Amino acid sequence: SQQGEEDPQALSIQEGENATMNCSYKTSINNLQWYRQNSGRGLVHLILIRSNEREKHSGRLRVTLDTSKKSSSLLITASRAADTASYFCATTELGTALIFGKGTTLSVSS
Amino acid sequence: EAGVAQSPRYKIIEKRQSVAFWCNPISGHATLYWYQQILGQGPKLLIQFQNNGVVDDSQLPKDRFSAERLKGVDSTLKIQPAKLEDSAVYLCASSPDPGTGNGYTFGSGTRLTVV
Repeated sequence: SQQGEEDPQALSIQEGENATMNCSYKTSINNLQWYRQNSGRGLVHLILIRSNEREKHSGRLRVTLDTSKKSSSLLITASRAADTASYFCATTELGTALIFGKGTTLSVSS
Repeated sequence: EAGVAQSPRYKIIEKRQSVAFWCNPISGHATLYWYQQILGQGPKLLIQFQNNGVVDDSQLPKDRFSAERLKGVDSTLKIQPAKLEDSAVYLCASSPDPGTGNGYTFGSGTRLTVV
């Protein structure tokens, strides 16, 4: 079963613009993570936010978490062509495996 | 640190044939996961091992899929017989700490095409 639903399913922007992706989930969580997947490759961990945190930054990435709404957002600032990939949110409860959403496909054109 | 190794990278088989995938996790990682990712979808957990014991295999189609992790290190996932809908990328991941959900590392995956 899939826990999260990312929105939008696909996003096309120009280099230099910001990209925002949203994720909603259904159950209580221990933490929420965002992963990137380039076409035909494995998943790369981007950032983890714990259930008691509201916002986290890593380089050009900003993640927010609203546990009352069971939602998270990933903001990529000043996008580059190299950011073109699929982005997945994934959640975990204590002791359980990561459950992934369906993903957002981001296309950044130069 | 070496990553999670998977082989083969690609496999094409006919329906009703059998196939096996291999995964070597990061050294010292006690927990190993197999995920199935169908094109255009997110990865779906098939099975989770803690050392050589199964923690969760609730979504593993046990009539055709089997997995083992001998000696708590390498793991093999088998499909027998394969169906067309098994075409997907099979991802292996490992983590040192199943309790917190931190530290997952994924392999590059095996792309299976069933014709």
